[in-house]
Amino acid sequence: GENVEQHPSTLSVQEGDSAVIKCTYSDSASNYFPWYKQELGKGPQLIIDIRSNVGEKKDQRIAVTLNKTAKHFSLHITETQPEDSAVYFCAATITGANSKLTFGKGITLSVRP
Amino acid sequence: NAGVTQTPKFQVLKTGQSMTLQCAQDMNHEYMSWYRQDPGMGLRLIHYSVGAGITDQGEVPNGYNVSRSTTEDFPLRLLSAAPSQTSVYFCASRTPGSPLHFGNGTRLTVT
Repeated sequence: GENVEQHPSTLSVQEGDSAVIKCTYSDSASNYFPWYKQELGKGPQLIIDIRSNVGEKKDQRIAVTLNKTAKHFSLHITETQPEDSAVYFCAATITGANSKLTFGKGITLSVRP
Repeated sequence: NAGVTQTPKFQVLKTGQSMTLQCAQDMNHEYMSWYRQDPGMGLRLIHYSVGAGITDQGEVPNGYNVSRSTTEDFPLRLLSAAPSQTSVYFCASRTPGSPLHFGNGTRLTVT
């Protein structure tokens, strides 16, 4: 089955700096890669996703890049703000009615004011 | 729409007790699933369902039962709680081709 690795487990940045979170996956057939943000006491919420036919996707201050050859994908957050502090999960799956998301272990991002 | 609603928010059980974690969604999603979240382990799939009357096991199904009698509801049952089941439980749903929508979780402690 799919295995998703997420490193490091914690990341601390200064407000205004950029943050990059990297994930690797094992199944070359995986074709959908979402990123979720989890704030304290809440469930994960989708912030951006990318499909395997696209190399990069942007939405305001966040972007995701995908390298299918190396089987890794990254979340980029620019101009970080204190409200970006949260746990971020990457995931991978092969899309379909029965598809099951495999999640990384999560990274705690802290943005220092 | 309320989205995915989980009850209760918090629960404390003694070893050996049983309980049901409730999950309901009002988005007419066919797919529903249960995850548990433990420190350093991320989100692990317990059971999932692709429609009413259909359920299947995920990565960590032992100790848990599910049923799906309606599209809206997907309860998770612990028949005999164990301390190893202390965790935060998340229910999630989606329609084909769409992202997973999560509830806000149930924090369960088994003593």
